[in-house]
Amino acid sequence: DVKVTQSSRYLVKRTGEKVFLECVQDMDHENMFWYRQDPGLGLRLIYFSYDVKMKEKGDIPEGYSVSREKKERFSLILESASTNQTSMYLCASSLWDGPLLFGPGTRLTVL
Amino acid sequence: QKEVEQNSGPLSVPEGAIASLNCTYSDRGSQSFFWYRQYSGKSPELIMFIYSNGDKEDGRFTAQLNKASQYVSLLIRDSQPSDSATYLCAVNGDNDMRFGAGTRLTVKP
Repeated sequence: DVKVTQSSRYLVKRTGEKVFLECVQDMDHENMFWYRQDPGLGLRLIYFSYDVKMKEKGDIPEGYSVSREKKERFSLILESASTNQTSMYLCASSLWDGPLLFGPGTRLTVL
Repeated sequence: QKEVEQNSGPLSVPEGAIASLNCTYSDRGSQSFFWYRQYSGKSPELIMFIYSNGDKEDGRFTAQLNKASQYVSLLIRDSQPSDSATYLCAVNGDNDMRFGAGTRLTVKP
């Protein structure tokens, strides 16, 4: 059963901590994405990657960085977590211009 | 900035009716278009995709695309209470899939 997995379903961190969100896909997809979803704002694209070691900024990259050292793994890093980064984080992957397959999401709370 | 706009809703229809969901996009170079359904507390799941102008039907769902008007829609025929969810329009221009804010649909028995 093909899938996208995320390292945690729920995460609670303190302001100023460095936070790592991990995403792994087993479908050999080229593209991987990180979104955050907030009520009334929909899914907003943070970063995406179309190949190993490649990354592109989305609409809201500030305060985030990403790493893609292997094709199947795409990590989102919050260098210094802030309360306004409390959100649902969704990872997804796709083949070129095909549909996205989403992971289950990580609900991050920053206190 | 590339934008995707959806009628914000909420939209309420009686069981058995047709639900119509609309979406416009700003990037004229967009090539592929998707509709996702998201139940509360769950991740979005793909319902349909469409690449060419015109209609595409899949069971009770019909996607319509008009690239000249930069408009894509989703019709749900014979709506069921299980169709109650938030529907997300997504547009892919340059491998950077962008989503609308979603339309919440409620189908009343």
